[in-house]
Amino acid sequence: QVQLQESGPGLMKPSGTLSLTCTVSGASISSNYWWSWVRQPPGKGLEWIGEIYHSGTANYNPSLQSRVTMLIDNSKNQFSLRLTSVTAADTAVYYCAKHIEVLGKRGFDYWGQGTLVTVSS
Amino acid sequence: EIVLTQSPGSLSLSPGERATLSCRASQSVTGNYVAWFQQKPGQAPRLLFYGASSRATGIPDRFSGSGSGTDFTLTISRLEPEDFAVYYCQQYATSPARYIFGQGTKLEIK
Repeated sequence: QVQLQESGPGLMKPSGTLSLTCTVSGASISSNYWWSWVRQPPGKGLEWIGEIYHSGTANYNPSLQSRVTMLIDNSKNQFSLRLTSVTAADTAVYYCAKHIEVLGKRGFDYWGQGTLVTVSS
Repeated sequence: EIVLTQSPGSLSLSPGERATLSCRASQSVTGNYVAWFQQKPGQAPRLLFYGASSRATGIPDRFSGSGSGTDFTLTISRLEPEDFAVYYCQQYATSPARYIFGQGTKLEIK
């Protein structure tokens, strides 16, 4: 059974750098999957942040691209998210997710439980 | 950039009824790369369909996904109590890769 678990600080101060890690079990992060981060502000909808492949190739949401970096650690079966210059608008539940892809059709088939990150002074 | 508009914003139905949820894209979606997710309070989203109509593992056949071009539909043939949740559609685009979610439809018990 594939499982993903987010970890990181729950509370941050404005202008700081958010760092989250997603630990994967039940699947090798070196397999032919993409891995994504998605966030959801309290009471609002879902926003895709970015995706990364085991090679380290990453794609980011254009609206966040200037502040986002994703990295992958194949030896630890983990991937991570770094978001700089955070503000209250970055307060959200952050999810990591695994992709499924069949004949070009994609979806996020496994998700972590999510971790709430609050940005407040 | 494509905008996904889901309608209605909320839907109030009774168990046993049929639910029809719409997702309209502002421009044609290449390859019908649309996914649907179900999200219950306090839980992560759950994948229902990808590629508009490919059912994800473990999804009951009372759920169906359809559509092409700009109009996509999620249908629940006979609502069960556990189906009341928020449903999101998502479009996947390539070059560059990006994923856009609709704003969601809240399905409530009447």
